[in-house]
Amino acid sequence: DTAVSQTPKYLVTQMGNDKSIKCEQNLGHDTMYWYKQDSKKFLKIMFSYNNKELIINETVPNRFSPKSPDKAHLNLHINSLELGDSAVYFCASSQERGSSYNEQFFGPGTRLTVL
Amino acid sequence: QKEVEQDPGPLSVPEGAIVSLNCTYSNSAFQYFMWYRQYSRKGPELLMYTYSSGNKEDGRFTAQVDKSSKYISLFIRDSQPSDSATYLCAMSVETLVRGGYSTLTFGKGTMLLVSP
Repeated sequence: DTAVSQTPKYLVTQMGNDKSIKCEQNLGHDTMYWYKQDSKKFLKIMFSYNNKELIINETVPNRFSPKSPDKAHLNLHINSLELGDSAVYFCASSQERGSSYNEQFFGPGTRLTVL
Repeated sequence: QKEVEQDPGPLSVPEGAIVSLNCTYSNSAFQYFMWYRQYSRKGPELLMYTYSSGNKEDGRFTAQVDKSSKYISLFIRDSQPSDSATYLCAMSVETLVRGGYSTLTFGKGTMLLVSP
């Protein structure tokens, strides 16, 4: 069974469109994340949610709006897509243990191409 | 200067070689040090983690942390073609929100190619 799943796997769209990426985890974790990996493979955190509440927002344009309907799901909606949004977006989850180390489990990624 | 520096490679070695992968960092507040492995078109998966300075061994893999030099290494002994992947170092600082969450800061990753 897939622990962290994302849909779609590939997304090709035109500049200016609005699109959503969905993420689900079946690990029972209470913290979920969105990362962006650019063409140079640099992986950078965008958002983190704990029990449906936003706890980290790393200076991401407000065209990106995460939504967590429950602690097993964290979706990412992107408005007015730009060429620079082309990247692989990874969802991840972890279990808060009150320490600074929590292993994060990553999904397979969504490859977004903006034309 | 980025917080975590990592040579992107690619690093090409023959099967059986000992591989050394390294990262340097600038933020002395980092407490946990991790190595993730990412196969092509897959998500990263945790390989090893260490806390503070010292060595940690797991099978063919050894992780080393030298906090005084702000330098971490991953050694792979008897490398196999199946080890071919991108290796990302990651470090965490406790985020002082709601009792603490780890925010991972990644290096750019080093692509490793092990030829049979």
